[in-house]
Amino acid sequence: GQQVMQIPQYQHVQEGEDFTTYCNSSTTLSNIQWYKQRPGGHPVFLIQLVKSGEVKKQKRLTFQFGEAKKNSSLHITATQTTDVGTYFCAGRFHAGGTSYGKLTFGQGTILTVHP
Amino acid sequence: DAGITQSPRHKVTETGTPVTLRCHQTENHRYMYWYRQDPGHGLRLIHYSYGVKDTDKGEVSDGYSVSRSKTEDFLLTLESATSSQTSVYFCAISEWKGEGRTEAFFGQGTRLTVV
Repeated sequence: GQQVMQIPQYQHVQEGEDFTTYCNSSTTLSNIQWYKQRPGGHPVFLIQLVKSGEVKKQKRLTFQFGEAKKNSSLHITATQTTDVGTYFCAGRFHAGGTSYGKLTFGQGTILTVHP
Repeated sequence: DAGITQSPRHKVTETGTPVTLRCHQTENHRYMYWYRQDPGHGLRLIHYSYGVKDTDKGEVSDGYSVSRSKTEDFLLTLESATSSQTSVYFCAISEWKGEGRTEAFFGQGTRLTVV
């Protein structure tokens, strides 16, 4: 089946260090989305990437979509304690009909930031 | 936050009993999803709906059924609950918007324990 793999599963950093999580799909994605889930909360949408090679920034967060639209990354510069949580990528695959509505999530990366 | 409500928020049930979780939205979004979240597995799609009475299976649909008789309600039924179905269940909604934005909005989650 169509899957989205995400690594690493866990990342522990000192406050001020950078953090990166990666997503990979075996097949081409139509678009990819990123979500953040705070401990005890629900996933919240961060951003969507659609175009090949697309790069978007939100303050200290940089999102990239690969040229082949099969991989993506989220990079956080100079982490803060407020960045703690689980980061998920979610992909939509090229498919006709009803499958286009399906949103497949990666396993998530749990980020811990030590002050 | 999007108008999406899950009920109940917490439930403890016995093995072998049927259980129904409800997701209610006030956003008139076309797509609705049921995910389960377990440590190490991220968010796994159980079933999704792309319209009234239109549903499709996700990657972990065995033991679950769904119904959508109205745009605003998406029900998830565990036909005969097992301990392996102990999990946190999230409902999500999405809709096509301008510029192809299709982000999902999540409910608060239902913590289900099967004993």
